[in-house]
Amino acid sequence: GNSVTQMEGPVTLSEEAFLTINCTYTATGYPSLFWYVQYPGEGLQLLLKATKADDKGSNKGFEATYRKETTSFHLEKGSVQVSDSAVYFCALSDAMEYGNKLVFGAGTILRVKS
Amino acid sequence: DTEVTQTPKHLVMGMTNKKSLKCEQHMGHRAMYWYKQKAKKPPELMFVYSYEKLSINESVPSRFSPECPNSSLLNLHLHALQPEDSALYLCASSQDGAGGGTEAFFGQGTRLTVV
Repeated sequence: GNSVTQMEGPVTLSEEAFLTINCTYTATGYPSLFWYVQYPGEGLQLLLKATKADDKGSNKGFEATYRKETTSFHLEKGSVQVSDSAVYFCALSDAMEYGNKLVFGAGTILRVKS
Repeated sequence: DTEVTQTPKHLVMGMTNKKSLKCEQHMGHRAMYWYKQKAKKPPELMFVYSYEKLSINESVPSRFSPECPNSSLLNLHLHALQPEDSALYLCASSQDGAGGGTEAFFGQGTRLTVV
């Protein structure tokens, strides 16, 4: 079946450091790819998405490019802030006849220190 | 408006209680979902409703009973739960109930504790 693998955390960075969180996927067909963020005590928020190969999703300084050749969707940000501390989930949309099933990676905890 | 609203935010219930979780969206989405999330884990799909019909049940125990009264509302009825059912229950919706590629929008979740 389809699956998503994320780098293990926690990732601890100083403020203004460069962030990369690796994500690779296994899928039949061409799924859409997403990054969701979950702040402590909250639900998931969609951070960015890409629906086809070579698409780049971006939002709030975060970027990720859908790489079909390497089956990857790595999340990057040039300069992290303390407020970016959260859990980040990479996910793919597993299309079914009725509804979409999101397949999540295990999640990566990001801690940013001032 | 990209909001999915869940109530209550917190719920403590005994193992013999009956309670319900509620979810509402006004984005015109035709697919709605229940996910369960344990601490430090990703969400796990429980149910999918597509055009107000239950389309997917991921082998969830019958003590969880979903209901979709109309296209904007989704309920999860709880009865005779076990302590291991304590978790964050997340509702989500997406635009289309068929095919793929559309993102899901999540509510803030209900933190359920079974005592």
